[in-house]
Amino acid sequence: RKEVEQDPGPFNVPEGATVAFNCTYSNSASQSFFWYRQDCRKEPKLLMSVYSSGNEDGRFTAQLNRASQYISLLIRDSKLSDSATYLCVVIPFGNEKLTFGTGTRLTIIP
Amino acid sequence: NAGVTQTPKFQVLKTGQSMTLQCAQDMNHEYMSWYRQDPGMGLRLIHYSVGAGITDQGEVPNGYNVSRSTTEDFPLRLLSAAPSQTSVYFCASSYSSRAGVQPQHFGDGTRLSIL
Repeated sequence: RKEVEQDPGPFNVPEGATVAFNCTYSNSASQSFFWYRQDCRKEPKLLMSVYSSGNEDGRFTAQLNRASQYISLLIRDSKLSDSATYLCVVIPFGNEKLTFGTGTRLTIIP
Repeated sequence: NAGVTQTPKFQVLKTGQSMTLQCAQDMNHEYMSWYRQDPGMGLRLIHYSVGAGITDQGEVPNGYNVSRSTTEDFPLRLLSAAPSQTSVYFCASSYSSRAGVQPQHFGDGTRLSIL
């Protein structure tokens, strides 16, 4: 089993819809979690951290489910500009090695 | 504030050639790392460093060397380029604490083709 797994998609979603995708991880000692966004032929950029209690940043909500070992990202009222690949990152506590998922491709359709 | 600067942005090499990808950051970050990104494979960690003089291997270190003589610079050397090393290379940096590595700041990437 891969350390971090994501559904590669593509997710094709109409503008204004709500979309959610998950990222599962295998190491139960994982402590830090992040979502990154990567536009085509660009570098990854931090979208948001994922906190144990869940957190929200505008239209974006991140959740952590430790029991089932996954994190999720929900995007409400999706915009055309949300089209990108979304990467999850998992870091075990005190560990210096980040593990990236392969990414989920999202396309928002007008 | 330039952030993380990678050079060159594009490079074509012949099999067997060597070269160095440069990475510099001006944020006084302790942690620096190199990743390669291939279609369907995501970002894979090549080497990383938690401070000047300290480096360690990541997931795919073979064929690459690194050094960290200063806090600012973390060059990646390809010893003898192979077509399998055709990829997009990203350098990243961040603060580091006892709790672990903080979110990464990425450079623009270097697109490398080995013929």
